[in-house]
Amino acid sequence: KQEVTQIPAALSVPEGENLVLNCSFTDSAIYNLQWFRQDPGKGLTSLLLIQSSQREQTSGRLNASLDKSSGRSTLYIAASQPGDSATYLCAVRIGDDKIIFGKGTRLHILP
Amino acid sequence: NAGVTQTPKFQVLKTGQSMTLQCAQDMNHEYMSWYRQDPGMGLRLIHYSVGAGITDQGEVPNGYNVSRSTTEDFPLRLLSAAPSQTSVYFCASSPGGTGELFFGEGSRLTVL
Repeated sequence: KQEVTQIPAALSVPEGENLVLNCSFTDSAIYNLQWFRQDPGKGLTSLLLIQSSQREQTSGRLNASLDKSSGRSTLYIAASQPGDSATYLCAVRIGDDKIIFGKGTRLHILP
Repeated sequence: NAGVTQTPKFQVLKTGQSMTLQCAQDMNHEYMSWYRQDPGMGLRLIHYSVGAGITDQGEVPNGYNVSRSTTEDFPLRLLSAAPSQTSVYFCASSPGGTGELFFGEGSRLTVL
């Protein structure tokens, strides 16, 4: 059974620092992996989608990597800002109809 | 571009009442799904559909019904609301297969 884990559950860092969020999954047979951002009381906003054949994707200050063999993905945020404070979730797609979510990392950027 | 639209945003029900949460997408996506999000439990899949006329159960389907008569719409029905169904409900859609998943803004439901 596929399980997706995000550690740590919460993280606080000073503004301006680069940081890495982690996502691990137990079964490497995935279609893709997607990173989302969720602000309090809001829906999930897609940040980056990495297909199983890809190793990384970049969007602005965000870079996501995927290592299927080790069952890991990282989301790198460069030069963090207070506006980056949110909960970040990863999700793996293991079939046309099955998407498994991690429970997220709650990120707080200290001004 | 509207994306995924959910209504209502907030709803309060009494135990035993029924209601329908609406979800519509304008991206011609094949795949649509409903999740509930509860503190400490993460996102849990209720029902999903891979195309018009096709629905299937997710992880927590009891107490909920769905139908998919058109590509655009995927309503979620609560037949007899219970306090355990108090939650935030999210609708999501994707092109299917390896497509990117898009979420609606959520519907916050309270059952008294």
